[in-house]
Amino acid sequence: EIVLTQSPATLSLSPGERATLSCRASQSISTFLAWYQQKPGQAPRLLIYDASTRATGIPARFSGGGSGTDFTLIITSLEPEDFAVYYCQQRSNWPRVTFGGGTKVEIK
Amino acid sequence: EVHLLESGGGLVQPGGSLRLSCAASGFTFSTYDMSWVRQAPGKGLEWVSAISASGDRTYYADSVKGRFTTSRDNSKSTLYLQLKSLRAEDTAVYYCANWQWLVLAYWGQGTLVTVSS
Repeated sequence: EIVLTQSPATLSLSPGERATLSCRASQSISTFLAWYQQKPGQAPRLLIYDASTRATGIPARFSGGGSGTDFTLIITSLEPEDFAVYYCQQRSNWPRVTFGGGTKVEIK
Repeated sequence: EVHLLESGGGLVQPGGSLRLSCAASGFTFSTYDMSWVRQAPGKGLEWVSAISASGDRTYYADSVKGRFTTSRDNSKSTLYLQLKSLRAEDTAVYYCANWQWLVLAYWGQGTLVTVSS
């Protein structure tokens, strides 16, 4: 099973700052990586798929990159509504996908 | 607008059974693969199962194989998850989601299953 490790576990930032989240795969997954955002009490929302393609309606301040085993999600300027937990997910063995443990972006 | 609404969750004793439903609207349900994903309280996301658009293929996580069964009724635009031999570790919010671009594009709000005596 492919294991995804997200870092840091928690990121404390202020609105307007840049957030950089990392996701590392235990083996190469090409660009078969997605990112989701989850707010308390809500379902996850798809942000990015195929490592760098924004899903419908996702603001341009969210960008994804990487390939192979190392991936990043960047939020260029944090808005108040961006404070949430972010998960990465790989689909190399679709549909048996796996998720990372999550990164919480909290207000500093 | 895509809408997925789960129901059927509740409190069940260890060893018990439950059937979850997911009513879909806003898209052509019969043409999309679907999945269930769960989230234990305060924990991360765990993929549980998947079913093909026609319902002829199903897939399960090792943790639920042999105990959970996924099915669908395309005439009713509804996805199901039959849970049997439930354990405390199955306690979670269960989400249904549809597959688009080989990712889980849209999710329901979830239904809570609590396994406890």
